Parts: sequence; structure tokens; C-alpha cells
Amino acid sequence: GEDVEQSLFLSVREGDSSVINCTYTDSSSTYLYWYKQEPGAGLQLLTYIFSNMDMKQDQRLTVLLNKKDKHLSLRIADTQTGDSAIYFCAESKYSSASKIIFGSGTRLSIRP
Amino acid sequence: AAGVIQSPRHLIKEKRETATLKCYPIPRHDTVYWYQQGPGQDPQFLISFYEKMQSDKGSIPDRFSAQQFSDYHSELNMSSLELGDSALYFCASSPGGQNTEAFFGQGTRLTVV
Repeated sequence: GEDVEQSLFLSVREGDSSVINCTYTDSSSTYLYWYKQEPGAGLQLLTYIFSNMDMKQDQRLTVLLNKKDKHLSLRIADTQTGDSAIYFCAESKYSSASKIIFGSGTRLSIRP
Repeated sequence: AAGVIQSPRHLIKEKRETATLKCYPIPRHDTVYWYQQGPGQDPQFLISFYEKMQSDKGSIPDRFSAQQFSDYHSELNMSSLELGDSALYFCASSPGGQNTEAFFGQGTRLTVV
């Protein structure tokens, strides 16, 4: 079945790195995504990784994928107050307009 | 850059009324997805369209229907509204059926009273 799990909360100090973890159950998942949602706002695609990759870096963001363990992580370097949001892990298969399945989201809060 | 446009942004309806939500995809995007996000919940997939044909169906109630028009915009029709339908409804679009570039609109917040 399709299931994506994340821890609900993460608190980090400003300037530290944040690591948000996600596990998924569907081994046929082809794409794995990280979306950011600020309060009352829409879903912003941060980055995605194809299942045959194990790492992707984009500025302050690093995505690590362990396909064997079905574990995905998002590392945010030098976390800033503007990074406060809910971060959703999501997965989909490679097919025409395949649905994207979301995790429950991790609320990231930044403390001074 | 153009984004996914949803209208209205906010909508208040009474129980048993109907509502129509509209989604205008990014230009040259031919795939549209609809999601429902209840308070404190993750987005739940409702339905998707590719080239004006329904391509996938999720947890969309029978009271809801949707379609994609010739200009690729999509409408979600909701009838016999219930209090539990109160949620944020997102539309997303992607090009050529490839969901790697699925971009979401700002959502329509529906409140049923």
C-alpha cells in the first residue's frame, strides 16, 4: 500500500542544520518530493529526487535517499527563521499524471 | 512566472449547498490534480486529469465531480455540502503528465456552515 510517514515536530536553533526524516512503504515509488507549506499558504515544491539517485543538493538543501530502507531526509543548512513551516514528504510513481501521496508533514520551528 | 491560479480564494457555503472551484494551470501544463487538505491534515489526492481525460481517482466523494476543459482549466463541483467538506482545496498542474514538475496553487479555502 501507499504510506508516507514523518515525525510531526522538529525544533532547531537558528543557524543550526535541520534534518527532517521520512519513510515510505511503496518500493515502486519513483519520485520523492519535499514540499514546504507556510501558515495559510499553498504548497511550495522545494526539491525532488528520482529513485535511482541517492543524493541531491540545491543550495542550502540536501536530500538523501536510502532506497533499501525506504528512507528520505531533507537537510536544511544554516536554518533561518524564514524556514519555519510545515515540510511535507511525498512520493509518486512514474506514470502519466500519477497522484502524489503526501506524508503528514513535519512542523519545523526555529528558536533563537 | 505564471503560477497555478485558483478561484475563489475563499468560499463560505451552507450545508446542502453546491460549490464550484476553478483551477487555471500554468500555461502549457496539460495535467491537473485536485487535493483536499483538512485542518491539520496532509493533502489528500482527489482526482487528476491529463489531456482532458480523467487519469487517476483518489478519495473523492460521489457528491463531487470534476472535469478538465479544452483550455485545460479544471473545475471541481461539490454538491450537498457537509460540514466535513470544510478544507483547503488545492489544484496542481504539471506538463506532459510528468508530475516531477507539479506546482500547486494557493488553494481555495472552503468553509461550510
